[in-house]
Amino acid sequence: GENVEQHPSTLSVQEGDSAVIKCTYSDSASNYFPWYKQELGKGPQLIIDIRSNVGEKKDQRIAVTLNKTAKHFSLHITETQPEDSAVYFCAATPLREKLTFGTGTRLTIIP
Amino acid sequence: SQTIHQWPATLVQPVGSPLSLECTVEGTSNPNLYWYRQAAGRGLQLLFYSVGIGQISSEVPQNLSASRPQDRQFILSSKKLLLSDSGFYLCAWSRRNSPLHFGNGTRLTVT
Repeated sequence: GENVEQHPSTLSVQEGDSAVIKCTYSDSASNYFPWYKQELGKGPQLIIDIRSNVGEKKDQRIAVTLNKTAKHFSLHITETQPEDSAVYFCAATPLREKLTFGTGTRLTIIP
Repeated sequence: SQTIHQWPATLVQPVGSPLSLECTVEGTSNPNLYWYRQAAGRGLQLLFYSVGIGQISSEVPQNLSASRPQDRQFILSSKKLLLSDSGFYLCAWSRRNSPLHFGNGTRLTVT
């Protein structure tokens, strides 16, 4: 089955700087890669996703890049703000119905 | 719009007691339904998923079971809780070609 590794497990960034979280996956058949943000005491919320036929996708301050050859994808957050502090999860799947998640990154934005 | 309800939000149960967590989805029909467990440092582990009434797939052997008595209702149960069942349980739904949406979870503490 699919195996997703996520790094780093914790990340502290000065407000206004950029944050990058990286994930690698094992199944070359995976073709859907979402990113979720989880705030304290809540369920994860989808923030951006990308399909394997696209190398990069951007939504305001958030972008995701995908390298299918190397089997890794990354989340980029620019101009970070305090409300970006949360736990972020990447996921991958060859079938949208069964996501395999990374172990999460706790992002802290330092004012 | 679609919403997912999950309750209770927190639960403290003694070892050996039964468990019933309920999840309902509104605003859609015939969703795929999921139960995930989240443990610290271990990401989101898929426990059960269902593509229709009475159809349950178990992803990991464990002390828990799931049932889907109605199209938009998903129940997680146990006859006798173990200490190791403590965790954060998340219900989620999706439909074909749509992202996975999570509820706000149940924090279960087995004492």
